[in-house]
Order: sequence, then C-alpha cells, then structure tokens
Amino acid sequence: LAKTTQPISMDSYEGQEVNITCSHNNIATNDYITWYQQFPSQGPRFIIQGYKTKVTNEVASLFIPADRKSSTLSLPRVSLSDTAVYYCLVGDKSGYSGGYQKVTFGTGTKLQVIP
Amino acid sequence: DSGVTQTPKHLITATGQRVTLRCSPRSGDLSVYWYQQSLDQGLQFLIQYYNGEERAKGNILERFSAQQFPDLHSELNLSSLELGDSALYFCASSVSSLGTSGSYEQFFGPGTRLTVL
Repeated sequence: LAKTTQPISMDSYEGQEVNITCSHNNIATNDYITWYQQFPSQGPRFIIQGYKTKVTNEVASLFIPADRKSSTLSLPRVSLSDTAVYYCLVGDKSGYSGGYQKVTFGTGTKLQVIP
Repeated sequence: DSGVTQTPKHLITATGQRVTLRCSPRSGDLSVYWYQQSLDQGLQFLIQYYNGEERAKGNILERFSAQQFPDLHSELNLSSLELGDSALYFCASSVSSLGTSGSYEQFFGPGTRLTVL
C-alpha cells in the first residue's frame, strides 16, 4: 500500500499559481493518483486523477513524472475560496470492479489563500 | 450535492452507548466506504463494501461494525462508545453499476458528526 507524503501547509496570495507536491515512492504499477479537496466540516471532493504524464481539467492540472514517484497538483490563479485541505491518494484498482481496495488519505496539505 | 446522503447529521450520546449511522449511496453506485475524521485529523479509512460484500478493511475497531443491504444502503454501528470516538464520520460511494465511471472517483456524503459525552 503506497504511502504518500505532502507538505503540512502552504500559504499563497490570491491570483497566484499554487503547486502542491506529493511523494509516493512505493507506488505500484496498478496505482492511480487522485487528489481531493476538503473544506471544513464537509466531505472531500474529487479534483483530478491521473496515471502518468499530465492531466488537465477545468479546475486543476496534475503533473506526474515518468518514474511516478511523485506528483504535483497545480491550481491556477487561486482565490480565497480555494482555501482548503488537499489530499493526495494513491489507489490500487487491481482486479476488483469495486474500486480501490484500500484507500489511504494522508494528513493532507492545508492551503491558506491570502488576500 | 454529491448524491450521497447520510443520517443523522448530528448525534450526541453518552459513553458506553451504541449508535447506528446510515448512508445511502448515489443511485447506481455499488461501493460504499466509511471514514472517520477526528478533530484536525486526516481521514481514516474504516471499511469498504461492494454490492453487499465486505471488500476492504482499514483501521476499524472491533467495537465498530458495518453492513451493506440489498438496496445498497449501508449502516455503520458503533458500540461501547468512548470519548475518543467523537468525530465526523463520512460515507462515500463509487463505481456506477452502469459502468460509466472509469476513474473510481469517490463521492462523499455530508458526514455525521458524533459527539460522545
């Protein structure tokens, strides 16, 4: 089960691009990398998922180098409403159609956006 | 709105008691996950069910148990409650039975806040 390491917290000014890096040295061949966002007292919300190279959607980009031992979530031009905890997950979809066998959320990165 | 519902929203009870938390997954999702989040902590995975069967177990105490019913709703039972069990309990669902979700994205409910006094 791949363990992830993220910075505990980050601060950024409004309008800046924010990059949050996650280390997952023991990532397995079948593992996907997924990022979630969580506001206080709410359930986490899916942001983006990828397997390798780069993935982009309307809210973020995910960069995964060739060795897949790390990944970087990039949030373009953050606003105050992006203040939240961001979790990096590495999950194994091996064999079962029931989704991740075991999903481990780390402690996440608390992003504080400053006006 | 994720489509996942959890009841009750808040629960206050005393030590030693037993409670049941209920979760209804998104329509068509077969997998249900339970998580515990204590104050200022990350999410701790407790258990996963898929189509009525237990599929994965995380850091779930023996005092806790769960099940998924034929209509796919799930219940988490917490017994002999201790002060340290006070937390937010989240349920999530994934994998549409229609096979349209290739990303295995989990959709989280709003949570049940349990306070043990």
